[in-house]
Amino acid sequence: GAVVSQHPSWVICKSGTSVKIECRSLDFQATTMFWYRQFPKQSLMLMATSNEGSKATYEQGVEKDKFLINHASLTLSTLTVTSAHPEDSSFYICSAQTSGYYNEQFFGPGTRLTVL
Amino acid sequence: SQQGEEDPQALSIQEGENATMNCSYKTSINNLQWYRQNSGRGLVHLILIRSNEREKHSGRLRVTLDTSKKSSSLLITASRAADTASYFCALLLNSGAGSYQLTFGKGTKLSVIP
Repeated sequence: GAVVSQHPSWVICKSGTSVKIECRSLDFQATTMFWYRQFPKQSLMLMATSNEGSKATYEQGVEKDKFLINHASLTLSTLTVTSAHPEDSSFYICSAQTSGYYNEQFFGPGTRLTVL
Repeated sequence: SQQGEEDPQALSIQEGENATMNCSYKTSINNLQWYRQNSGRGLVHLILIRSNEREKHSGRLRVTLDTSKKSSSLLITASRAADTASYFCALLLNSGAGSYQLTFGKGTKLSVIP
């Protein structure tokens, strides 16, 4: 099946630093990738939709200047958390969508971000 | 809300028993998917059922979909301790202009007691 990887798996950083998370589709091309955030014991919340070669579409309440998304190729999307603060600590999960009629999404394993 | 709502929120059963989780929604869907998530881990895709399908099986999993009632159920038969996890239903919605969006419910926390 389709495989999506994320790097890093977990990261601890100091408040004020920026953190980049990569999402790769390993064996298929993904025109569209999605970024989700999950706080402890809560559901996944869609942050943004990333389309290759164009600007990402952000969900209401998500700051586009804080969460920078770049989808430069059909197999790679990056999420950069700029000037991270403790309240940004969360589990960030990406998914890559296959093309075709059913548009299935395949999820990465997630990246746990802890901001001290 | 375009989220699915799982019921129950938490379920505790003995190993070997069957576990049934339900998901209700209010909007039209393209398909409905069930995922499992172990504590602190990523999502595992279990099964996808399309809007024109009524029932699907995968191993010990059985999913039904009733679009007239806007509800789906996930049945895990002969449960095992390793099935302990949170289970989420996710709705694939057509968000317009050829775009699709996946929205998640809050999940059912299943505990299988050995």
